[in-house]
Amino acid sequence: NAGVTQTPKFQVLKTGQSMTLQCAQDMNHNSMYWYRQDPGMGLRLIYYSASEGTTDKGEVPNGYNVSRLNKREFSLRLESAAPSQTSVYFCASSEGIAGGPTDTQYFGPGTRLTVL
Amino acid sequence: RKEVEQDPGPFNVPEGATVAFNCTYSNSASQSFFWYRQDCRKEPKLLMSVYSSGNEDGRFTAQLNRASQYISLLIRDSKLSDSATYLCVVNQGGKLIFGQGTELSVKP
Repeated sequence: NAGVTQTPKFQVLKTGQSMTLQCAQDMNHNSMYWYRQDPGMGLRLIYYSASEGTTDKGEVPNGYNVSRLNKREFSLRLESAAPSQTSVYFCASSEGIAGGPTDTQYFGPGTRLTVL
Repeated sequence: RKEVEQDPGPFNVPEGATVAFNCTYSNSASQSFFWYRQDCRKEPKLLMSVYSSGNEDGRFTAQLNRASQYISLLIRDSKLSDSATYLCVVNQGGKLIFGQGTELSVKP
């Protein structure tokens, strides 16, 4: 059981380049999430998917798009990267519907992205 | 005002010490509360949920005061392996809101 996996682990982009961060979970969870973590700011929700086929905006969605490809996979795309998107990106999943009061979120190892 | 606020620390304590972390949240409609642990450059992991009556898990005790919108985490008999950042997390309207974390360093 790998849990939540993310690729790549590290990435350096130039301003204006695009890329997709991949996330997959093997726990048969319904809900999946993308967060970014910046120094001194805590994790902030970018997008989430309560179930296969649905996606919703979180706190900081601008500059990002997501795709819930199937129940296992949830990808995050940066169409035109900006230096402000330099961050650590975490994917997470939970068993129940998004934000259920007792849902435990399981996180992937993170992607460290630098935009020059 | 941040929705979830924590003292960023760092807290530097000797092994065996008792240390307490505090957290305040701004939205009185918050539904549930958690403490996560994050090791350096790793992903966050759930440490414990926080229940209204308070709850204990071994050396860890969590308390919730809804009237004051305040959450605490007490660690007794600190171990070197407790060194990490502790994240206070609040469920608001179905979304998890994370504090910026409190860094703990336990020294021999």
